[in-house]
Amino acid sequence: EVQLVQSGAEVKKPGESLNISCKASGFRFTNYWIGWVRQMPGKGLEYLGIIFPYDSDTRYSPSFRGHITISADKTINTAYLQWNSLKASDTAIYYCARPLTVSSKAFDIWGQGTVVTVSS
Amino acid sequence: VLTQSPGTLSLSPGERATLSCRASQSVSVNYVAWYQQKPGQAPRLLIYGASSRATGIPDRFSGSGSGTDFTLTISRLEPEDFAVYHCQQYGNSPPTFGQGTKVDLK
Repeated sequence: EVQLVQSGAEVKKPGESLNISCKASGFRFTNYWIGWVRQMPGKGLEYLGIIFPYDSDTRYSPSFRGHITISADKTINTAYLQWNSLKASDTAIYYCARPLTVSSKAFDIWGQGTVVTVSS
Repeated sequence: VLTQSPGTLSLSPGERATLSCRASQSVSVNYVAWYQQKPGQAPRLLIYGASSRATGIPDRFSGSGSGTDFTLTISRLEPEDFAVYHCQQYGNSPPTFGQGTKVDLK
């Protein structure tokens, strides 16, 4: 079965660092981009960026570049989303997602989401 | 920027739903997708390339449009179709999403 399984919910304080993960199975990880999408409470979806695990080519949305880091470890079929210094406004559900094809950014496989709460 | 309208659509089962997604600039190759999201769930891809149904999506869902104006139509609402619908453009960089349209029970 093709799936993305994300790490569990996190509760952090402002200024702390965080690394959440997305483990892929059922498909060749290095043949697909893996994207990250944010959903703030009660709001719509926002595209953060995307990585191609084969060569770690990474593209960021300008709105998020510099605040997040996307990485991948192709030896364990896992992508990561990382913050060095969290803000309260990072409170959201974060989804990883796989596009239909290598040339598409329409996401047909989604992780279950990781809830991140940042509060003092 | 993608603008979806209306914000909320109140309809009854069996009725037709028409959801709009307007882009502030022309979307390259009409690369627009539509997703359905139910509470507590991840989004589900319905339509890609403006009009192609994703695998396993019932044919009551259809997408149309080109350039800056795109539409998702649900021909006859089933009880399980009451949800939030998001459009996404992925023809221009970076990909962006609309703010969502909620289809709720009248």
